[in-house]
Amino acid sequence: EPEVTQTPSHQVTQMGQEVILRCVPISNHLYFYWYRQILGQKVEFLVSFYNNEISEKSEIFDDQFSVERPDGSNFTLKIRSTKLEDSAMYFCATRSGTVQGYGYTFGSGTRLTVV
Amino acid sequence: AQRVTQPEKLLSVFKGAPVELKCNYSYSGSPELFWYVQYSRQRLQLLLRHISRESIKGFTADLNKGETSFHLKKPFAQEEDSAMYYCALSGTGFQKLVFGTGTRLLVSP
Repeated sequence: EPEVTQTPSHQVTQMGQEVILRCVPISNHLYFYWYRQILGQKVEFLVSFYNNEISEKSEIFDDQFSVERPDGSNFTLKIRSTKLEDSAMYFCATRSGTVQGYGYTFGSGTRLTVV
Repeated sequence: AQRVTQPEKLLSVFKGAPVELKCNYSYSGSPELFWYVQYSRQRLQLLLRHISRESIKGFTADLNKGETSFHLKKPFAQEEDSAMYYCALSGTGFQKLVFGTGTRLLVSP
């Protein structure tokens, strides 16, 4: 079964630093998403991305966040100036462009710890 | 607005007992409903989607549009079923998934 790959699996960063989380989607998938899960809490939507632009974003996705697909394969989430409350598990998800395809496939996540 | 409600935070059963994890949703259009399972804070794994109407690991779920529910059921729970279960909804057009707060299933021997 195809997988979504996320790197790194764990990142520790100092408050105020920039971090980039990377995702390699399934090759024929067209829709990309970032979610986060603060420890012990529900999975929250951050942003969706299609056709090289943001299609929807949540109120969490403020100006310190950005997404891009720089080389047509990797899908990245950048946090410009990390805060303590950004500590969470970040999941990338992708989906094919057909209803008959699989549901949303999630990566194994990046655990971000801001100290 | 899309909303998913999972009323139980924790469901504790004994091995071999039937299990029902409740999920209710709110959406004005035609939703896609999913169940995801998460073992020990690992990746979210797709368990079921209502379109496929299949049974995975003995779990089934039926979409009831009248009651706006998509409850997850298994007739005989196994210890390896212990995990966090999330019900999720997507609107039309490949919109974002909206998750419920999750139910932790604990199956004791």
